[in-house]
Amino acid sequence: AQSVTQPDIHITVSEGASLELRCNYSYGATPYLFWYVQSPGQGLQLLLKYFSGDTLVQGIKGFEAEFKRSQSSFNLRKPSVHWSDAAEYFCAVGGPNDMRFGAGTRLTVKP
Amino acid sequence: DSGVTQTPKHLITATGQRVTLRCSPRSGDLSVYWYQQSLDQGLQFLIQYYNGEERAKGNILERFSAQQFPDLHSELNLSSLELGDSALYFCASSPGTHRTLDTQYFGPGTRLTVL
Repeated sequence: AQSVTQPDIHITVSEGASLELRCNYSYGATPYLFWYVQSPGQGLQLLLKYFSGDTLVQGIKGFEAEFKRSQSSFNLRKPSVHWSDAAEYFCAVGGPNDMRFGAGTRLTVKP
Repeated sequence: DSGVTQTPKHLITATGQRVTLRCSPRSGDLSVYWYQQSLDQGLQFLIQYYNGEERAKGNILERFSAQQFPDLHSELNLSSLELGDSALYFCASSPGTHRTLDTQYFGPGTRLTVL
């Protein structure tokens, strides 16, 4: 059965610091992997996705994620966080016709 | 702004009642998806419509139903409401049929409170 785990419910980082949000998954085949961001009062926005190929994926807003098959992980990174990055971040895993979301990680950015 | 609109933004109703949530997809998108986001269940896929036809079903209760009209807007009907139905309901749209291969564009959501 497919599942996705985001171990960190809440993370606080200082503005300008680097960020890594963790995502671990369980999936029977090669998964499709996604990161979404949900800003307060907004719907979800796709940051990046991985289907195949290069395991380091570049997304919007300066985010990147790396697929590590051996660790069943797809962690999201950003080298320097901006105050506007404060939001909820969701990892999702699935196949061609199904997708399951993680519980989310709330990011707080300190000035 | 994703281009997906949802009305109303907030809805407060009582148990046992029936409500209708409305979604207008982005111009040109043929698929509409409905999601429920609650504290205990997280974000759950409910149902997908493509060009007026039901395409995929997720964890949608029998008390809930949806449809997509010829102008491609969609409505989610929730009936016999229970306290546990209180949640944020999102609509998303995409150009094609694939829930994962296509990029989905999410609306701002409708917050439903059942008292």
